[in-house]
Amino acid sequence: QQKVQQSPESLIVPEGGMASLNCTSSDRNVDYFWWYRQHSGKSPKMLMSIFSNGEKEEGRFTVHLNKASLHTSLHIRDSQPSDSALYLCAASMTGNTRKLIFGLGTTLQVQP
Amino acid sequence: DPKIIQKPKYLVAVTGSEKILICEQYLGHNAMYWYRQSAKKPLEFMFSYSYQKLMDNQTASSRFQPQSSKKNHLDLQITALKPDDSATYFCASSQQGGQETLYFGSGTRLTVL
Repeated sequence: QQKVQQSPESLIVPEGGMASLNCTSSDRNVDYFWWYRQHSGKSPKMLMSIFSNGEKEEGRFTVHLNKASLHTSLHIRDSQPSDSALYLCAASMTGNTRKLIFGLGTTLQVQP
Repeated sequence: DPKIIQKPKYLVAVTGSEKILICEQYLGHNAMYWYRQSAKKPLEFMFSYSYQKLMDNQTASSRFQPQSSKKNHLDLQITALKPDDSATYFCASSQQGGQETLYFGSGTRLTVL
């Protein structure tokens, strides 16, 4: 079983709509979560990170974290066609901050 | 202007051969990494280096050998190549090797025939 599970596998939203992506870890040793975005044929780029319970907002992007359930979510409001990409959730474990464990990702398509 | 340079961008090799993937970073970072991305699999951690010292090795096979000749270089030598090694190999770096943002290079797409 993957240590980091993401859902849904793929998502289509209309331009201007809200996209909601989920990520859960099955390993209780998870410390921190990151969200990376990877456009087709490109390298992953860090979008947002969250280390504490609660919510963090940066522009159109909001992340939530519930450490008790080891669940994080990423919400993109006013989605744009340029947001179409693979969104990767990553986690690091207690005692090894150097290694990130990634999920399979959610492919987001924003339709004009 | 890319700050993490990976060469070559594309690489085709025959089964059993040996290849070296090159990575140089110009971000002034002290930690460097190799990750691998294959179809239907998550982006997979392979190695981490901090101040040119190997810190973590998650690769079961000794066919994969990282080489750090300079602080900002981390090459990856792969011997006895197999078709299963076909993947995109990403080099990454971070400031110190802690809870920091990873910056990825553009990757080397390796195809083993």
